[in-house]
Amino acid sequence: DAGVIQSPRHEVTEMGQEVTLRCKPISGHDYLFWYRQTMMRGLELLIYFNNNVPIDDSGMPEDRFSAKMPNASFSTLKIQPSEPRDSAVYFCASSLLAGGNEQFFGPGTRLTVL
Amino acid sequence: GENVEQHPSTLSVQEGDSAVIKCTYSDSASNYFPWYKQELGKRPQLIIDIRSNVGEKKDQRIAVTLNKTAKHFSLHITETQPEDSAVYFCAVTDGLTFGKGTHLIIQP
Repeated sequence: DAGVIQSPRHEVTEMGQEVTLRCKPISGHDYLFWYRQTMMRGLELLIYFNNNVPIDDSGMPEDRFSAKMPNASFSTLKIQPSEPRDSAVYFCASSLLAGGNEQFFGPGTRLTVL
Repeated sequence: GENVEQHPSTLSVQEGDSAVIKCTYSDSASNYFPWYKQELGKRPQLIIDIRSNVGEKKDQRIAVTLNKTAKHFSLHITETQPEDSAVYFCAVTDGLTFGKGTHLIIQP
């Protein structure tokens, strides 16, 4: 397996634009997680899915953020409209189980909002 | 929500010496305690984990100890090498809440 795949790897956009980040989890993993990493706040869980269903989105910062998982092999994290404070590295991770199991992280998407 | 505190934020040790990083947590229901290593510009990767029914686990030069009563667990790295330089994260709440990270620097 190629591991968790994320695209794009880098994204530079201007404030107010819509940004869509994409993730393909490891085949057979039932759980998918979206994290945001910044120097100030560290690694924060935004939302996670089980079998394509959102389980906990309490970490989503505000209504500008939305995530979907239309099928077992694809998820998106959308920011609309984007703001400079959204600049961060966004990681997607997947695991066989949610509680008590290793998470496999993707390479991340470095987002810069000007 | 769950609180997790990780200390120190930066740790510099001489090559060959040992390094210890500690995390404390608040939720007594937490049962899984992983440690991840993140090299510069890379993704976090699991290096060792421990479950609440075990007090210590070792894997070559790394070990994790857990004190459920006191609600803290620690990462121990012995005989440190240059390739150990990285940021290390603990996690609680079944691995969903991460500490702020420890930047480990191995001095040659």
